[in-house]
Amino acid sequence: DAKTTQPPSMDCAEGRAANLPCNHSTISGNEYVYWYRQIHSQGPQYIIHGLKNNETNEMASLIITEDRKSSTLILPHATLRDTAVYYCIVRALNTPLVFGKGTRLSVIA
Amino acid sequence: KAGVTQTPRYLIKTRGQQVTLSCSPISGHRSVSWYQQTPGQGLQFLFEYFSETQRNKGNFPGRFSGRQFSNSRSEMNVSTLELGDSALYLCASRPPGQGPGELFFGEGSRLTVL
Repeated sequence: DAKTTQPPSMDCAEGRAANLPCNHSTISGNEYVYWYRQIHSQGPQYIIHGLKNNETNEMASLIITEDRKSSTLILPHATLRDTAVYYCIVRALNTPLVFGKGTRLSVIA
Repeated sequence: KAGVTQTPRYLIKTRGQQVTLSCSPISGHRSVSWYQQTPGQGLQFLFEYFSETQRNKGNFPGRFSGRQFSNSRSEMNVSTLELGDSALYLCASRPPGQGPGELFFGEGSRLTVL
């Protein structure tokens, strides 16, 4: 079973920041937080991952709380192409990714 | 660099038949994972292969099997197909190394069982 809880859906206005929350209150010390997204009918796409520190790449920023029990994925300037299902996953090394139901993000013009 | 390639992209089978799906990972990747995606169950892990050895296995019946070849290409086979096996089957590969590593997914093989 997935070890994360995410809202089923969210809307975001185009050009605004999209903040997607994830709860992972039972995360273990050796587990990383991963974010993937899946645009309709395509394979999931890796976005970002982190262990304890906040991370940023060209796609997004990942903010992990100090107690590591929750995190937020931030898409700084959402576009219509960011409409997708976003999955937050916790995973230890050499273990499979276990996907939950994710958050369906709709970016609205 | 070519991505993960899955063939065939679409196929239709009837109940009781078997099917073989193929996956070519990104060049240099030695780990290949398979996932099944259905509207009801979402994305579910099937199995993972590394250097021709199955490393992890999900909770699927024995009708689902896989293998990996010495060139890292992988196949999965489903025997005695059931209607519920209709799904998008996704393959993913991971770069070498012991770090957390991201998975790169293919576009999937969409199987319809009639």
